[in-house]
This record gives sequence, structure tokens and C-alpha cells, in this order.
Amino acid sequence: NAGVTQTPKFQVLKTGQSMTLQCAQDMNHEYMSWYRQDPGMGLRLIHYSVGAGITDQGEVPNGYNVSRSTTEDFPLRLLSAAPSQTSVYFCASSYSGGRRETQYFGPGTRLLVL
Amino acid sequence: GDSVTQMEGPVTLSEEAFLTINCTYTATGYPSLFWYVQYPGEGLQLLLKATKADDKGSNKGFEATYRKETTSFHLEKGSVQVSDSAVYFCALSDRQGAQKLVFGQGTRLTINP
Repeated sequence: NAGVTQTPKFQVLKTGQSMTLQCAQDMNHEYMSWYRQDPGMGLRLIHYSVGAGITDQGEVPNGYNVSRSTTEDFPLRLLSAAPSQTSVYFCASSYSGGRRETQYFGPGTRLLVL
Repeated sequence: GDSVTQMEGPVTLSEEAFLTINCTYTATGYPSLFWYVQYPGEGLQLLLKATKADDKGSNKGFEATYRKETTSFHLEKGSVQVSDSAVYFCALSDRQGAQKLVFGQGTRLTINP
């Protein structure tokens, strides 16, 4: 199993550009989520999905879109990048998203917005 | 709302020293508590967890006990190694239904030989 994979590893964008961060998992997990990691702030939840076709907002959803057309993939779209979106982005998955479950994290995408 | 407060870092220790990283939480219900570790250049991985009061999670020589009376989940290890150098995150999940992890700010640990 590859686990949770993310592409790209690193990306530089100009303000106003759009891009999609890719996330895929091969563990047949129903629950997937996106977090951003900023210095001194831990990780904060952006969006999550409890299954194909179902998504919901987390703590910091503004400026981001998600969709879940398959169980395996959960892309994160930046519609119009801003410098405040400079961060490290982590995708995570778990079997059903129960509060006792372990989340499995991808290696992260480092994004720099100029 | 729910929150997690971790010991301020960074923390630097010598090999074989005793480690404690403090973690306290605020939650309205009965949260599950986690410690995740992030090694340099990698994503987070679960170190240990506890899902109810008085449970002790343990892994790789690390331990943490879920103390509801003090709302704490302190991480301890009796003898650290250079390979333990990483960033450690305390987190809680306190929701029925879909899990929404709430993280502390992270503590960077450096172990010198």
C-alpha cells in the first residue's frame, strides 16, 4: 500500500493564480480531510469528506474548494491564491472518521504564494 | 470551543534524558486524545492515543495517561534517543460523527548525542 499520497511536494504561485492540490489514498478509507500547518499554530482543518459525494467545511474553509467524486481521491482547489495561503497542506484519511480512529497523513505539499 | 495547549518549545535534551511534554485540553464532551509525531520532511504519524479517562497510551517507549480530573495528557519517555528528534503534536477529537482533530501548536524536540 502507498498509503496517502500528495502531489506536488512543493509549488510556487503568484497572487490570483489557481491550482489544485492532489490527494489519493489506497486504503479504501471513507473519511478524508485537508489541514493546513502554519508556524506556531499546529494544524487546522480546512474541509473534510465522509464519503464519495459528501463534503463539509472545517475551521478555515475560505478560499478553498473540494469535491469527492471517488473514494480514493480528494483534491483541494485554491480558486484565487493569496499570500495568506502560504502554508504546508496535509491530507489525511481514516476508515470511517470516528472520533477514536487514527488519522493517516500524507507527506504534505508546501505552497508559497508570492 | 475545544482547544489544546502544549508546552512551549523548542526543547533540547541530551541522549538518555527523561522527557516530559505537557499537554492540557478544553473540551465539552468526552474527547479522544492523541499524540502525533512529525519527523523532518515527513507527514504526521500517530504515536499513541487514549480514548477514555485513565487510559494509558504507549508506543516506542513513550507513554501518556488520560487524566480527566486535570484535563491533561502529558507525554513522557524515560530515556530519549537522537532518533526521537521531531515535532510532537497533542490533539483531541470530541465530536460524534466525523472526526475533526484539534491540534496543539506542536513542540519541537532536539536530542543531542
